[in-house]
Amino acid sequence: EAGVAQSPRYKIIEKRQSVAFWCNPISGHATLYWYQQILGQGPKLLIQFQNNGVVDDSQLPKDRFSAERLKGVDSTLKIQPAKLEDSAVYLCASSPTSGRYNEQFFGPGTRLTVL
Amino acid sequence: QKEVEQNSGPLSVPEGAIASLNCTYSDRGSQSFFWYRQYSGKSPELIMFIYSNGDKEDGRFTAQLNKASQYVSLLIRDSQPSDSATYLCAVRSYMSNDAGNKLTFGGGTRVLVKP
Repeated sequence: EAGVAQSPRYKIIEKRQSVAFWCNPISGHATLYWYQQILGQGPKLLIQFQNNGVVDDSQLPKDRFSAERLKGVDSTLKIQPAKLEDSAVYLCASSPTSGRYNEQFFGPGTRLTVL
Repeated sequence: QKEVEQNSGPLSVPEGAIASLNCTYSDRGSQSFFWYRQYSGKSPELIMFIYSNGDKEDGRFTAQLNKASQYVSLLIRDSQPSDSATYLCAVRSYMSNDAGNKLTFGGGTRVLVKP
């Protein structure tokens, strides 16, 4: 079974620029998550999708961050404009709704550096 | 704010010894508790989860849960240098819309196993 795919793996931008990340979850996984992990901290949930609907975006800075999962499969996370404090690893994860539903499977992450 | 607290470490243990990691959480309604391992530069991977009070063993790992004290721990027996990593405690909270599982992560404990 293929894992969660993310791209790009690394991105360096200047503050006030825009950036977008892409995630393709494990086939058949209905739930998709975006996490932000700042160096030395645990992952923080930004947004959670169930199919193509948002079920939790309470910690998403909506003035600059947006995310979509239009067809209930892959997803994009956008930051516009970026700030220095957005430098982090952005992790995408997915989980099924049955079977191993307790487990979240993480992608390799995208490391963002904002200069 | 639902919190999960861990000692950041590093926890230094000699090879072959037992590593003991602790985690406390604030939400009494939490249902399930997870331990993830994260190697430097990699994404988290699930080690085990527990949802009933008591001990749960899986190979060299034992998770212990005490809901009354809001405390969960992880023991690593016969520690190996390959166990050197950051261990993340995560707590599952009930979502009123019953849409999958929401995890809140602690900051992680860095473990160093010295040969």
